[in-house]
Amino acid sequence: AQTVTQSQPEMSVQEAETVTLSCTYDTSESDYYLFWYKQPPSRQMILVIRQEAYKQQNATENRFSVNFQKAAKSFSLKISDSQLGDAAMYFCAYRSPPKGGSEKLVFGKGTKLTVNP
Amino acid sequence: DTAVSQTPKYLVTQMGNDKSIKCEQNLGHDTMYWYKQDSKKFLKIMFSYNNKELIINETVPNRFSPKSPDKAHLNLHINSLELGDSAVYFCASSQDLETVNTEAFFGQGTRLTVV
Repeated sequence: AQTVTQSQPEMSVQEAETVTLSCTYDTSESDYYLFWYKQPPSRQMILVIRQEAYKQQNATENRFSVNFQKAAKSFSLKISDSQLGDAAMYFCAYRSPPKGGSEKLVFGKGTKLTVNP
Repeated sequence: DTAVSQTPKYLVTQMGNDKSIKCEQNLGHDTMYWYKQDSKKFLKIMFSYNNKELIINETVPNRFSPKSPDKAHLNLHINSLELGDSAVYFCASSQDLETVNTEAFFGQGTRLTVV
């Protein structure tokens, strides 16, 4: 079974600085998808960024980028120029390729990010 | 337009009661899910449906019964509610075709409190 580990229960960063959230996973599959979701106090789960395992290039979305190391099974999230609105729980998630509905998301336990003004 | 909508957003009820949470998606997705987020924020799959067919049933007590009248709706009915059922329940949907976006879109969650 796949597992996702986020080793940092809490992190803090100064506004405008950069922070990196760690995530490792365990799988025997070669093809899969990885995601970072953000959950602000509003409770809504918001997709931040996604990475397909077959792509060697690291995904980037504006201030958010990932460092995907497939051999090491590592998928860290870097937030540049941190803003107060980035404060939230961040969840790393793994998903198998599409298989008619059996491809569930497996989540890490989350990292609570605080942004200090 | 809300892509995945759940009702109600909050639900407070007494032990032993039966309650339902409704979920609808207007994204045309084939697959819908129920996830449970416990008090420590841990998210775990409960069920998935693909085109109204149950695919995943992740060792959930049989007091929980999902129902999918069509592929746009997935409701969750809970019988004989217990204190330990208190949690946030998320509905989600995704498209399962290999060439289409595979991320899951989540509803806003239903906070269930059993007293």
